[in-house]
Amino acid sequence: NAGVTQTPKFQVLKTGQSMTLQCAQDMNHEYMSWYRQDPGMGLRLIHYSVGAGITDQGEVPNGYNVSRSTTEDFPLRLLSAAPSQTSVYFCASRPRGGSGANVLTFGAGSRLTVL
Amino acid sequence: EDQVTQSPEALRLQEGESSSLNCSYTVSGLRGLFWYRQDPGKGPEFLFTLYSAGEEKEKERLKATLTKKESFLHITAPKPEDSATYLCAVPKGSARQLTFGSGTQLTVLP
Repeated sequence: NAGVTQTPKFQVLKTGQSMTLQCAQDMNHEYMSWYRQDPGMGLRLIHYSVGAGITDQGEVPNGYNVSRSTTEDFPLRLLSAAPSQTSVYFCASRPRGGSGANVLTFGAGSRLTVL
Repeated sequence: EDQVTQSPEALRLQEGESSSLNCSYTVSGLRGLFWYRQDPGKGPEFLFTLYSAGEEKEKERLKATLTKKESFLHITAPKPEDSATYLCAVPKGSARQLTFGSGTQLTVLP
């Protein structure tokens, strides 16, 4: 089925470890983004990309890196995990224009715990 | 600064008891207001987009309305399957990235 696929669904890390959350979409969407969701704080934008080779920072980018080498993939890298990065992470995508512009399609989420 | 505020944080209703959720926003040059539904353990799912004051959209028991300062999500005769967190969002910035409110957690009791 077409959509946004995130892996892994669950991950436990120790402080200082690094890891990559994977995100892939098969809808040929130009725009992709990463959000984190914490209780009482809603969804906050980490990084986003408007196309292959183009990325930009969102509201809470510190401690995270992204790259966009293909239209389909948008991995999120945690360089040195901290307990404050314990959260649920959502990847989302949308087309650049047309009737679906601005309508984000979300993945199922990745729950990360940093000890 | 652009802000999106939702109220109440949580709402418990009896089945059939109609109510409304509120989303107030302070955005210069609104380019749409979006409503999403999120079930536990899942990603948000798109419900509606509203673009201008006075606009209304309906889907089953849900109706979304928009004024110049806020949007309402009216739930008529809700059922337990309507239980979810409802999120509103507005686009900001040159790439129109969505800024979300913190959501209203709706519980409909049978």
